[in-house]
Amino acid sequence: DQQVKQNSPSLSVQEGRISILNCDYTNSMFDYFLWYKKYPAEGPTFLISISSIKDKNEDGRFTVFLNKSAKHLSLHIVPSQPGDSAVYFCAASWSGSARQLTFGSGTQLTVLP
Amino acid sequence: GAVVSQHPSRVICKSGTSVKIECRSLDFQATTMFWYRQFPKKSLMLMATSNEGSKATYEQGVEKDKFLINHASLTLSTLTVTSAHPEDSSFYICSARVPDTTDTQYFGPGTRLTVL
Repeated sequence: DQQVKQNSPSLSVQEGRISILNCDYTNSMFDYFLWYKKYPAEGPTFLISISSIKDKNEDGRFTVFLNKSAKHLSLHIVPSQPGDSAVYFCAASWSGSARQLTFGSGTQLTVLP
Repeated sequence: GAVVSQHPSRVICKSGTSVKIECRSLDFQATTMFWYRQFPKKSLMLMATSNEGSKATYEQGVEKDKFLINHASLTLSTLTVTSAHPEDSSFYICSARVPDTTDTQYFGPGTRLTVL
């Protein structure tokens, strides 16, 4: 049972435009959500997170939106840059799971110059 | 952000030998570290949760006698793959949780293990 889902395995966006990566979850106990960026043969790099008490968190070019009623979160990157090309994983956790992260399957973002 | 290192970055070993991978939190103390395994083009699979001063908690299907975890200090956890076999070849990644209210996990750069 996949509790965190990223239904788009890949996304291509033109440089300078907005990239929107989506993530859905099924476990209503999740109360903390994170986005990680990963290059091949490297560990994931933390990008941004959001607590379930908020619906938006912004950090520079990255904004995460959380819709609890829809159990959906999204990561917006604007403007997109070629260096943003990587695999993006969303992850979720809750206090009852010892804060273990449950990862989505990832979305490969390609920003075209 | 918090920095987590892993050593070695890649290792090649013969079947039947044991390999130790170290995970260190460089600028913070981590009471909890996590070990993941990533298969090609797949997501990260949690193997075990490593708690300083106590036994690790293994996920279902992960052999605790094969993947020995030791978390002897607040900045170091080790994963030992015992009697490695070719099917153990994978990318192993550790993470450490920063003990604040957000509990964000920071990941090491990973270790590529190849068992011949």
